[in-house]
Amino acid sequence: EAGVAQSPRYKIIEKRQSVAFWCNPISGHATLYWYQQILGQGPKLLIQFQNNGVVDDSQLPKDRFSAERLKGVDSTLKIQPAKLEDSAVYLCASSWIFEQYFGPGTRLTVT
Amino acid sequence: AQSVTQLDSHVSVSEGTPVLLRCNYSSSYSPSLFWYVQHPNKGLQLLLKYTSAATLVKGINGFEAEFKKSETSFHLTKPSAHMSDAAEYFCVVSEGTGGFKTIFGAGTRLFVKA
Repeated sequence: EAGVAQSPRYKIIEKRQSVAFWCNPISGHATLYWYQQILGQGPKLLIQFQNNGVVDDSQLPKDRFSAERLKGVDSTLKIQPAKLEDSAVYLCASSWIFEQYFGPGTRLTVT
Repeated sequence: AQSVTQLDSHVSVSEGTPVLLRCNYSSSYSPSLFWYVQHPNKGLQLLLKYTSAATLVKGINGFEAEFKKSETSFHLTKPSAHMSDAAEYFCVVSEGTGGFKTIFGAGTRLFVKA
């Protein structure tokens, strides 16, 4: 069974630029999550989708972050404009019922 | 509101000795609780989960955890540490069974000495 795929794996941008991350969940998983993991901290949930609807985006900084999940499968997370404090690993996860399966993450460096 | 507290940021043990990683939680709902492990430069992997069934949960690689509602704890244990257990461990709480309001603890770094 293929795991959660994410791309790119690494991205370096300057502040005020925009960036987008892509996630392909495990086939058949209805729930998709995006997390932000800052160095030395646990992952923080940014947004949760159930199929293509948003279940929870209470911790998503909506002035600069946006996410969509078209057709209830793939998802993209965008940051525009980026700030220095957005430097982190962005993790995508998917689940069917209980446990979440995580992708390898995208390491973003904002300079 | 939910929260999770991992009581130790670092734990150091000798190979072959027991491991105890402590986790306390709070939740207004019947929680689901998980432990995940993150090896350096690798993805998060589920060790075990509690979802309102048996309170003593067995996971992979000899780890287990006990859900104690009266103490609001979900400590992770292993009888004998192995060098390969050195990693970051996260205690995680979700509302109910749908992964809602998932919150990760700050993590506990486990060091294993030869």
